[in-house]
Amino acid sequence: SQQGEEDPQALSIQEGENATMNCSYKTSINNLQWYRQNSGRGLVHLILIRSNEREKHSGRLRVTLDTSKKSSSLLITASRAADTASYFCARANDYKLSFGAGTTVTVRA
Amino acid sequence: EPEVTQTPSHQVTQMGQEVILRCVPISNHLYFYWYRQILGQKVEFLVSFYNNEISEKSEIFDDQFSVERPDGSNFTLKIRSTKLEDSAMYFCASRWGSDQPQHFGDGTRLSIL
Repeated sequence: SQQGEEDPQALSIQEGENATMNCSYKTSINNLQWYRQNSGRGLVHLILIRSNEREKHSGRLRVTLDTSKKSSSLLITASRAADTASYFCARANDYKLSFGAGTTVTVRA
Repeated sequence: EPEVTQTPSHQVTQMGQEVILRCVPISNHLYFYWYRQILGQKVEFLVSFYNNEISEKSEIFDDQFSVERPDGSNFTLKIRSTKLEDSAMYFCASRWGSDQPQHFGDGTRLSIL
């Protein structure tokens, strides 16, 4: 499968804690993208990391990419209740995104 | 900030009927996509569209499906004869260029009765 696969499937943390989720993939990528989806809503783009990049930051988000291990991680620091959502990694080739099953993150107040 | 808009937000249709889902991509974007997400499952790629033609399509995108960009702003997905298993959330996405993120609409929930 060319899809990204996230781990863990679900994560429950206390507000203020960090949340880390991982993504593995099997084939080469142009880039890897992380998305957030609130229940019943659309996909919100978070970060795109290119195959020649190793780390990117956006606000409280940090994404790493290890192409030798074909894996990526998303770190959310100082989590808030509003971060409660499903998070997906998506492998990008020239024509499409291939999504994994996602990590459901619950941030407890 | 520009966004992808989709209409309707919810469509209920009898099995066997035709349905058209509509999308207005971000105005300067060149690449257009449809994805679907069956309840509780992964987001699945359906089709990509560039330069007025299909670039790639998945196995799901059979002869019952078609896409069109009838003018400079709209991008539509038509399902000719809907089946119960077509019930899903359908997402439209667009991007500006290579190695750029795809931006998604809020989706159309399609319910087939």
